[in-house]
Formats: sequence, C-alpha cells, structure tokens
Amino acid sequence: SSELTQDPAVSVALGQTVRITCQGDSLRSYYASWYQQKPGQAPVLVIYGKNNRPSGIPDRFSGSSSGNTASLTITGAQAEDEADYYCNSRDSSGNYWVFGGGTKLTVL
Amino acid sequence: QVQLQESGPGLLKPSETLSLTCTVSGDSISTYYWSWIRQPPGKGLEWIGYIYYSGSTNFNPSLKSRVTISVDTSKNQFSLKLTSVTAADTAVYYCARGLYSYANLYFDYWGQGTLVTVSS
Repeated sequence: SSELTQDPAVSVALGQTVRITCQGDSLRSYYASWYQQKPGQAPVLVIYGKNNRPSGIPDRFSGSSSGNTASLTITGAQAEDEADYYCNSRDSSGNYWVFGGGTKLTVL
Repeated sequence: QVQLQESGPGLLKPSETLSLTCTVSGDSISTYYWSWIRQPPGKGLEWIGYIYYSGSTNFNPSLKSRVTISVDTSKNQFSLKLTSVTAADTAVYYCARGLYSYANLYFDYWGQGTLVTVSS
C-alpha cells in the first residue's frame, strides 16, 4: 500500500468542476506534485509546489493543500482531461519519494 | 526542448541484471536530479531512485539492495542497473528529469518509457 492515498476512480460531467484528492502524513510538511497520464503515454507534470503549472498546462488545473490532504482541481473539465492522475511527494520519513495509487478520471 | 530516451534490452530471464540507459538531449546533464521511475502493467508509478550530476544518489528503500544508478556526463547519459530480477520487476521503465524546488522533487520531463519483461 502507498503512503499517499488516492480514490481509485472519480467521474465528472463535461464542463463541471472536479477535485481529486491525495492523503498522507508527509503532506503536512511537503507539497504534492500531480501528474496526468493518458493510455500508452508517459506521465505529464500538471501541478507542482504550492500551485504552479508548467508551461503549456491549461489554467483550469489548480492545486491546493490542507492538513494531510492535497487536492488537484479541474475547473470546467474537458473530454481531453480523461486520464489517470497521480500525486507524488516525499514519504513519511521525508527521505524518499512516493506516488499515490492513482485516480482514474472519467469525463461523462 | 529537453528530450529523454530510454534504451536497453526488453526481455530478461529471472536472476539476470536489468541495464537501461537514458540519453538526454536539449539540456546538459550537469545539473538536476536524474531519476528512474517504473510502472508495472496496469498498475501505478513507483519511484526507483535518482542521481545528481555530482554522483550522489538516493534510492527507494524497497529496491536499494539491488539498484545502482550512474551518470556519464561526457555522453549526457545516466543508467540504471537492477540485479536479480524476477517477474515482479516486469514494468515500463521511465527516466525523468527531477527539478528540486519547494523542498521537494518534481519530474518535469520524462522519456517515453521502455517495457522490460522478465520471463523464463
């Protein structure tokens, strides 16, 4: 089991807002980063730090954190956002890095 | 544009050593944290470890006894060796560039991944 816990699956209606969460003790001290992975493709970094988007990532993607929970919010989900999303951060010791188990996002 | 490309054998027998190389183009390897991450078929991502260009390393404790990561700055490449492989090591192996910021590591560029299958 991962030290970062994600819901296995989430769905959202086209154009609506969805929040994907990641829980773990290390998130009280460290930010999470978020990766989008589409079938057969490498993961893509979408959020890092407090709420930073790499160049080319749409501004409908945003990140936040509270206590032991980090969240990725997609405001106005598009069909192309359907993918697996993984959070990543340090483990509870702070010495290594771990990924959450991933959340499969379905856009209805 | 930074590009990473994994290369190495795609099929191994149990107990053999997995050897992969990542070639970096569009950026010097003499900075950042160069990482290996794997993904078993149909499963999630697992961080294997990283090497800093200076040679310092950090590994996933679950793999630490079997993993070596090295860097060749003259070729702009870094490499992964994983000994005594079993079927559980069957996965797509990704190399990635690690950016250290906000007291954390973020993987901003990834290779396309290479599938390594362990089977007798």
